[in-house]
Amino acid sequence: DSGVTQTPKHLITATGQRVTLRCSPRSGDLSVYWYQQSLDQGLQFLIQYYNGEERAKGNILERFSAQQFPDLHSELNLSSLELGDSALYFCASSATGWAEAFFGQGTRLTVV
Amino acid sequence: EDQVTQSPEALRLQEGESSSLNCSYTVSGLRGLFWYRQDPGKGPEFLFTLYSAGEEKEKERLKATLTKKESFLHITAPKPEDSATYLCAVEGDSNYQLIWGAGTKLIIKP
Repeated sequence: DSGVTQTPKHLITATGQRVTLRCSPRSGDLSVYWYQQSLDQGLQFLIQYYNGEERAKGNILERFSAQQFPDLHSELNLSSLELGDSALYFCASSATGWAEAFFGQGTRLTVV
Repeated sequence: EDQVTQSPEALRLQEGESSSLNCSYTVSGLRGLFWYRQDPGKGPEFLFTLYSAGEEKEKERLKATLTKKESFLHITAPKPEDSATYLCAVEGDSNYQLIWGAGTKLIIKP
C-alpha cells in the first residue's frame, strides 16, 4: 500500500458526460501529480500541483482540469468525455519535487 | 529535447537466468533517474533513485547503475514474481516534468 488513495476505482460513463476523480496523497506529501495511461501505452503526465498551486503542466487537454485543495487532496475533472478518454488515471504524490513519487492504484475510466 | 529510451521492449527469461534492462537518456542537467515497477492494472511502484554517474543501488535481486548516458537495471537469478513492466524516468533541470520511458516488459518463466 503506497498510502495514496484514489476514488473511485472504476467509472463507466457515456460520451459527453463529466466526471471527477479524487486523490488523497500520502500524509505529509505536498506534491500531487496526475497521469493518464491508455491500454498498452506509457504514462502521460497531465499536471502537477504543489501545496495548492499548479507547478507543471503536461499534455492535458483543455477539457480536463484539476485542483488541489487546502487539505492537499486533489481532484481531476474530465468533461465532454470522448471514447478516447478511456484509460487508467493515476495520481501520485511526493514530499517535495519529483523524488520518490508514490502512485495510487488508479481509476479505470471507461467511456461508452 | 529531453528523451528516455528503454530497451528491450520485452524480455523473456527462464527462472534463474540473469539479465539487464537498459534506459538511455538525453536530458539537460540530470537531477535524478528513477526506476519503477508496474504490474498490470496497478500503479507504478517506486524502486530506486539515482542522482549521479557511478551511483549504484540494490534491492533484493535488483541492482540499478548509472552512467552519464544510461542506466541499467540488473536482475540476478529472477523469479516468476519479478515479472512486470519496469519503467525508467528522468528529471532534468529544464522543467519540473518527469520524462518517462515506454518501459520493458519482463516475463520470467518457471
